[in-house]
Formats: sequence, C-alpha cells, structure tokens
Amino acid sequence: DAGVIQSPRHEVTEMGQEVTLRCKPISGHDYLFWYRQTMMRGLELLIYFNNNVPIDDSGMPEDRFSAKMPNASFSTLKIQPSEPRDSAVYFCATRRDRNTDTQYFGPGTRLTVL
Amino acid sequence: GQQLNQSPQSMFIQEGEDVSMNCTSSSIFNTWLWYKQDPGEGPVLLIALYKAGELTSNGRLTAQFGITRKDSFLNISASIPSDVGIYFCAGQLLSLGWTNKLIFGTGTLLAVQP
Repeated sequence: DAGVIQSPRHEVTEMGQEVTLRCKPISGHDYLFWYRQTMMRGLELLIYFNNNVPIDDSGMPEDRFSAKMPNASFSTLKIQPSEPRDSAVYFCATRRDRNTDTQYFGPGTRLTVL
Repeated sequence: GQQLNQSPQSMFIQEGEDVSMNCTSSSIFNTWLWYKQDPGEGPVLLIALYKAGELTSNGRLTAQFGITRKDSFLNISASIPSDVGIYFCAGQLLSLGWTNKLIFGTGTLLAVQP
C-alpha cells in the first residue's frame, strides 16, 4: 500500500494568494482528517470526513479555509486568501473505519506564506 | 481545551541508554497511541493500546496503558541514533464518546549522541 499521499510537499506563496493542498487517502479507509502543525500550537485537527462527507469542521480557523472530498480517493484543503500566519505544516491522515482509532499520516505539506 | 501533558519536553542521551517518556491527563482515555515524527515527515504509528493495564512491545519499544486510564508511558531500550525524532502520545477521550477525534500530546524531542 502506498500510504497517504500529499502534494505538494512544499509550497511558498505570497500573502493574498490562493493555496490548494491535496491528499490521496489509503484505499479503503473511510475517514480522512486534515491537521495543522505549528511550534506554538502543536497538532490541531482542522476537519474530518467520513465516507467523503464533512463531519466536524469546528477546527477550521476561519472562512478563508475550506476543504472538500469529492470522492473516496481525493481531498483538498484550500486557503483563500492566504496570510503569513497560515504558515505551518499541514497533514492529511486517514483511518480505516469506526472500529479503530489508529490514524495514518501523510508526509505533510510545508506551507510558507510570505 | 482538552489537556494531555507529555513529559519530558526534550531528552538528550547517549547511544545505548534507555529512554522513558509519559503522558498524563486528568481525564480518562479509552485508547492510547504513540507516534514518532522524523524531521520533514508525518507522524508514524509505533504502538497502539486499547485496554487499561495493557503492556505492548514493538522491538526495543514498550508502551503501557495506565491502569487508571489517565496515563501512558513509552520506553525505548538501548537507544540508537535513528531513534532521534519527536515522539507524540495521542488518545481518544472517553468523555467525548465516539467523536473520531484524537487528542495529541505536545511531543518529546529525543536526541541521541553516538
């Protein structure tokens, strides 16, 4: 199994630009999670999906952030417009089903907003 | 927010030494997970614990689910340079029921001197 795939691995953009982060989950996993990691706040859950449906987006910082999962093989996290304080590492993680709590993380996207 | 205290924050040891780190909370957890994060990568699952008192090993790693369900520890025996990284505990809070959310500790940075 290829594991969780994220792209790009690194993104540098200017303030005000739109940023789109992509995730391909492990095949057959029903749950997909988006996290943000910073030195100050550690790992924060932004949103998670179950069977492509957003279940809890209470961690999304503000309306500039949006996430979609159009099918079981793909999810995006979009920031529009981006701000310097959005600079962080964004992780996608997936979980097989409701019978396990184990989440498998992708390699992350390091976002720098200038 | 929910609190999950992880200690120590960092450890600097000599190769061959044993390492111990732990996570504690004032709340009860029904699952404990231990992850390791290498620089520039996502967290990788090391050990999963599902029952109070459970003691599980994975090579040189041993973890236990505290009997009170409020703590967990991870031991690494005979450390080697590739053990370097950040170790995170994560748990599923019993009080949250079936929320699919994991609470992450703040991490323990481990440095191993060859």
